Amino acid sequence: EAQVTQNPRYLITVTGKKLTVTCSQNMNHEYMSWYRQDPGLGLRQIYYSMNVEVTDKGDVPEGYKVSRKEKRNFPLILESPSPNQTSLYFCASSPTASGNTIYFGEGSWLTVV
Amino acid sequence: ILNVEQSPQSLHVQEGDSTNFTCSFPSSNFYALHWYRWETAKSPEALFVMTLNGDEKKKGRISATLNTKEGYSYLYIKGSQPEDSATYLCASPLRAGTALIFGKGTTLSVSS
Repeated sequence: EAQVTQNPRYLITVTGKKLTVTCSQNMNHEYMSWYRQDPGLGLRQIYYSMNVEVTDKGDVPEGYKVSRKEKRNFPLILESPSPNQTSLYFCASSPTASGNTIYFGEGSWLTVV
Repeated sequence: ILNVEQSPQSLHVQEGDSTNFTCSFPSSNFYALHWYRWETAKSPEALFVMTLNGDEKKKGRISATLNTKEGYSYLYIKGSQPEDSATYLCASPLRAGTALIFGKGTTLSVSS
């Protein structure tokens, strides 16, 4: 089954404690991205990757890091989480950046206290 | 328009009503327009990807039209049902090969 899998789905953490949200896709897609969704602000892109070892900042990259060492995985790293990073995070993948359907993961609810 | 905008922000209709909402996007360097349906507690699911001016796509009771020259797309739902309640997102890249820019969505609520 074609899917985008992200973990953890729910997490409460404390300020400053590094965490990683993993994302994996099994569709051999080249393009992967991370979004955060906040009330009234819609989906905002954090980082994206056009292919292995190629990553770029999206609209709201501050406080986040990513890596793309292999095609299927695109982890999101919060080196020192802060309360303003409390949000719903979605990982997504697509064959290309913009001309094909994007497949979303199920979302990760992150709370930073 | 330098961004992707949707209207209205929210909409409440009765079961059986037909409804429509709008997505506006930059008409210059148009490449593609996406529509997604996002139910609460689930991930967004693709409805349509449209690329041709004048194109119309249909999936069941939901259809969409595209005007790339003036930079807008309409999403129509015929005979709304409670299960149509969701947030409908549109997205478009600023130019070919760049990341999608999402609108803030239109949240539809259908009462039985």
